[in-house]
Amino acid sequence: DTAVSQTPKYLVTQMGNDKSIKCEQNLGHDTMYWYKQDSKKFLKIMFSYNNKELIINETVPNRFSPKSPDKAHLNLHINSLELGDSAVYFCASSRRGSGGQETQYFGPGTRLLVL
Amino acid sequence: QQPVQSPQAVILREGEDAVINCSSSKALYSVHWYRQKHGEAPVFLMILLKGGEQKGHEKISASFNEKKQQSSLYLTASQLSYSGTYFCGTLKTSYDKVIFGPGTSLSVIP
Repeated sequence: DTAVSQTPKYLVTQMGNDKSIKCEQNLGHDTMYWYKQDSKKFLKIMFSYNNKELIINETVPNRFSPKSPDKAHLNLHINSLELGDSAVYFCASSRRGSGGQETQYFGPGTRLLVL
Repeated sequence: QQPVQSPQAVILREGEDAVINCSSSKALYSVHWYRQKHGEAPVFLMILLKGGEQKGHEKISASFNEKKQQSSLYLTASQLSYSGTYFCGTLKTSYDKVIFGPGTSLSVIP
Protein backbone atom coordinates (compact mmCIF):
# COMPACT_ATOMS: atom_id res chain seq x y z
CA ASP A 1 0.00 0.00 0.00
CA THR A 2 3.02 2.29 0.37
CA ALA A 3 2.80 5.02 -2.25
CA VAL A 4 6.53 5.74 -2.63
CA SER A 5 8.96 3.18 -1.26
CA GLN A 6 12.73 3.22 -1.02
CA THR A 7 15.29 0.58 -0.21
CA PRO A 8 17.36 0.36 1.79
CA LYS A 9 16.21 2.51 4.69
CA TYR A 10 19.71 2.65 6.16
CA LEU A 11 23.03 2.32 4.39
CA VAL A 12 26.37 2.37 6.19
CA THR A 13 29.42 1.95 4.00
CA GLN A 14 33.09 2.76 3.63
CA MET A 15 34.57 5.58 1.59
CA GLY A 16 35.32 4.54 -1.95
CA ASN A 17 32.54 1.96 -2.19
CA ASP A 18 29.77 1.99 -4.79
CA LYS A 19 26.15 1.74 -3.66
CA SER A 20 22.63 1.94 -5.09
CA ILE A 21 19.33 3.14 -3.69
CA LYS A 22 16.06 1.99 -5.24
CA CYS A 23 12.76 3.81 -5.43
CA GLU A 24 9.35 2.66 -6.59
CA GLN A 25 6.01 4.46 -6.73
CA ASN A 26 2.60 2.86 -7.20
CA LEU A 27 0.68 6.10 -7.71
CA GLY A 28 0.77 6.02 -11.50
CA HIS A 29 2.75 9.26 -11.53
CA ASP A 30 4.78 10.37 -14.53
CA THR A 31 7.51 12.28 -12.70
CA MET A 32 10.02 11.13 -10.11
CA TYR A 33 12.73 12.99 -8.22
CA TRP A 34 15.79 12.49 -6.05
CA TYR A 35 16.46 14.94 -3.23
CA LYS A 36 19.37 15.15 -0.84
CA GLN A 37 18.80 16.39 2.71
CA ASP A 38 21.96 17.25 4.58
CA SER A 39 22.60 17.44 8.31
CA LYS A 40 21.24 21.00 8.40
CA LYS A 41 17.98 19.70 6.89
CA PHE A 42 18.52 21.59 3.65
CA LEU A 43 16.42 19.76 1.03
CA LYS A 44 17.98 20.03 -2.42
CA ILE A 45 16.79 18.54 -5.69
CA MET A 46 19.32 16.38 -7.53
CA PHE A 47 17.47 14.84 -10.47
CA SER A 48 14.03 14.59 -11.99
CA TYR A 49 12.70 12.12 -14.55
CA ASN A 50 9.49 12.41 -16.53
CA ASN A 51 8.35 9.19 -18.21
CA LYS A 52 11.86 7.76 -17.98
CA GLU A 53 13.47 10.89 -19.45
CA LEU A 54 15.87 13.04 -17.46
CA ILE A 55 14.43 16.55 -17.18
CA ILE A 56 16.31 18.06 -14.26
CA ASN A 57 19.97 17.45 -13.59
CA GLU A 58 21.29 19.78 -10.95
CA THR A 59 24.95 20.43 -10.28
CA VAL A 60 25.66 17.03 -8.84
CA PRO A 61 29.00 15.19 -9.09
CA ASN A 62 28.97 12.71 -11.94
CA ARG A 63 29.62 9.97 -9.38
CA PHE A 64 25.83 10.10 -8.96
CA SER A 65 23.94 8.41 -11.77
CA PRO A 66 20.18 8.03 -11.81
CA LYS A 67 18.46 5.34 -13.84
CA SER A 68 14.79 4.97 -14.62
CA PRO A 69 13.93 1.56 -16.09
CA ASP A 70 10.25 2.52 -16.26
CA LYS A 71 8.13 5.40 -15.01
CA ALA A 72 7.39 3.65 -11.71
CA HIS A 73 11.05 3.21 -10.76
CA LEU A 74 13.94 5.58 -10.26
CA ASN A 75 17.22 4.27 -8.88
CA LEU A 76 20.28 6.18 -7.77
CA HIS A 77 23.76 4.73 -8.12
CA ILE A 78 26.67 6.38 -6.35
CA ASN A 79 30.27 5.58 -7.24
CA SER A 80 33.34 6.14 -5.10
CA LEU A 81 31.43 7.30 -2.05
CA GLU A 82 32.86 10.24 -0.09
CA LEU A 83 32.31 11.41 3.49
CA GLY A 84 30.32 14.40 2.20
CA ASP A 85 27.78 12.09 0.60
CA SER A 86 26.44 11.23 4.04
CA ALA A 87 22.88 12.50 4.09
CA VAL A 88 19.28 11.40 3.81
CA TYR A 89 18.22 10.77 0.22
CA PHE A 90 14.53 11.13 -0.56
CA CYS A 91 12.76 9.91 -3.62
CA ALA A 92 9.53 11.69 -4.58
CA SER A 93 6.94 11.54 -7.32
CA SER A 94 4.28 13.80 -8.79
CA ARG A 95 1.60 13.43 -11.41
CA ARG A 96 3.32 15.31 -14.17
CA GLY A 97 5.72 18.06 -15.11
CA SER A 98 8.10 19.69 -12.69
CA GLY A 99 5.43 20.38 -10.14
CA GLY A 100 3.98 23.84 -10.60
CA GLN A 101 0.59 22.71 -9.43
CA GLU A 102 1.46 19.17 -8.48
CA THR A 103 1.85 17.70 -5.03
CA GLN A 104 5.04 15.78 -4.50
CA TYR A 105 4.81 12.54 -2.55
CA PHE A 106 7.99 11.64 -0.73
CA GLY A 107 9.38 8.24 0.09
CA PRO A 108 10.54 7.43 3.64
CA GLY A 109 14.17 8.30 2.87
CA THR A 110 17.45 6.39 2.82
CA ARG A 111 19.90 7.35 5.53
CA LEU A 112 23.38 7.03 4.06
CA LEU A 113 26.41 7.15 6.32
CA VAL A 114 29.85 7.01 4.74
CA LEU A 115 32.67 6.09 7.12
CA GLN B 1 17.61 30.98 -5.73
CA GLN B 2 16.55 29.63 -2.34
CA PRO B 3 13.60 31.35 -0.63
CA VAL B 4 14.08 32.84 2.81
CA GLN B 5 12.01 31.56 5.73
CA SER B 6 11.37 33.24 9.05
CA PRO B 7 11.52 32.59 11.87
CA GLN B 8 14.22 29.94 11.86
CA ALA B 9 12.67 28.28 14.90
CA VAL B 10 9.68 28.83 17.15
CA ILE B 11 8.41 27.23 20.35
CA LEU B 12 4.71 27.39 21.14
CA ARG B 13 2.47 26.22 23.92
CA GLU B 14 -0.54 24.17 22.90
CA GLY B 15 -3.32 26.44 21.74
CA GLU B 16 -1.07 29.31 20.66
CA ASP B 17 -0.89 30.64 17.12
CA ALA B 18 2.13 30.97 14.83
CA VAL B 19 2.98 32.50 11.48
CA ILE B 20 5.78 31.26 9.24
CA ASN B 21 6.91 33.48 6.40
CA CYS B 22 8.52 32.60 3.09
CA SER B 23 9.89 35.22 0.72
CA SER B 24 11.69 35.22 -2.59
CA SER B 25 13.74 37.77 -4.51
CA LYS B 26 12.21 36.49 -7.77
CA ALA B 27 8.67 36.60 -9.15
CA LEU B 28 6.85 33.42 -8.24
CA TYR B 29 4.34 31.18 -9.98
CA SER B 30 3.47 29.08 -6.97
CA VAL B 31 4.42 28.30 -3.40
CA HIS B 32 4.27 24.84 -1.83
CA TRP B 33 4.19 24.12 1.89
CA TYR B 34 5.39 20.84 3.42
CA ARG B 35 5.81 19.63 7.00
CA GLN B 36 8.49 17.16 8.03
CA LYS B 37 8.37 15.44 11.39
CA HIS B 38 11.60 14.24 12.92
CA GLY B 39 12.92 11.16 11.16
CA GLU B 40 10.11 11.16 8.61
CA ALA B 41 9.55 12.29 5.04
CA PRO B 42 8.18 15.72 4.13
CA VAL B 43 4.40 15.68 3.80
CA PHE B 44 2.41 18.00 1.57
CA LEU B 45 0.25 20.68 3.22
CA MET B 46 -0.89 22.95 0.40
CA ILE B 47 -0.04 24.67 -2.87
CA LEU B 48 -0.81 28.32 -3.57
CA LEU B 49 -0.82 29.73 -7.07
CA LYS B 50 -0.25 33.32 -8.11
CA GLY B 51 -3.43 35.33 -7.92
CA GLY B 52 -3.13 36.11 -4.24
CA GLU B 53 -5.12 33.13 -3.10
CA GLN B 54 -5.53 31.91 0.40
CA LYS B 55 -6.08 28.31 1.36
CA GLY B 56 -7.03 26.49 4.51
CA HIS B 57 -6.50 23.01 5.85
CA GLU B 58 -8.23 22.54 9.20
CA LYS B 59 -6.45 25.00 11.47
CA ILE B 60 -3.59 25.57 9.07
CA SER B 61 -4.01 28.16 6.35
CA ALA B 62 -1.75 30.09 4.01
CA SER B 63 -1.70 33.16 1.84
CA PHE B 64 0.34 34.13 -1.19
CA ASN B 65 1.07 37.72 -2.11
CA GLU B 66 2.66 37.58 -5.54
CA LYS B 67 3.42 41.32 -5.60
CA LYS B 68 5.46 41.02 -2.44
CA GLN B 69 6.77 37.62 -3.60
CA GLN B 70 5.97 36.09 -0.29
CA SER B 71 3.76 33.53 1.35
CA SER B 72 2.73 33.06 4.96
CA LEU B 73 1.60 29.90 6.73
CA TYR B 74 -0.79 30.41 9.65
CA LEU B 75 -1.15 27.81 12.38
CA THR B 76 -3.97 28.51 14.80
CA ALA B 77 -4.69 26.87 18.13
CA SER B 78 -1.59 24.73 17.73
CA GLN B 79 -1.60 21.09 18.70
CA LEU B 80 1.28 18.84 19.75
CA SER B 81 0.99 17.12 16.37
CA TYR B 82 1.98 20.37 14.61
CA SER B 83 5.57 19.99 15.77
CA GLY B 84 8.03 19.56 12.95
CA THR B 85 9.98 21.46 10.35
CA TYR B 86 7.97 23.48 7.86
CA PHE B 87 9.40 24.00 4.40
CA CYS B 88 8.17 26.34 1.74
CA GLY B 89 9.04 25.51 -1.85
CA THR B 90 8.88 28.08 -4.61
CA LEU B 91 8.60 27.90 -8.38
CA LYS B 92 9.16 30.71 -10.90
CA THR B 93 7.10 29.04 -13.66
CA SER B 94 4.63 26.18 -13.89
CA TYR B 95 7.36 23.86 -15.18
CA ASP B 96 10.13 24.99 -12.88
CA LYS B 97 11.64 22.78 -10.21
CA VAL B 98 10.67 23.35 -6.60
CA ILE B 99 13.34 25.17 -4.62
CA PHE B 100 12.87 24.55 -0.92
CA GLY B 101 13.62 27.07 1.79
CA PRO B 102 15.86 26.22 4.77
CA GLY B 103 12.88 25.26 6.93
CA THR B 104 11.32 26.58 10.13
CA SER B 105 11.49 24.32 13.16
CA LEU B 106 8.26 24.47 15.15
CA SER B 107 7.93 22.84 18.56
CA VAL B 108 4.62 22.70 20.38
CA ILE B 109 4.86 21.97 24.09
CA PRO B 110 2.09 21.12 26.56
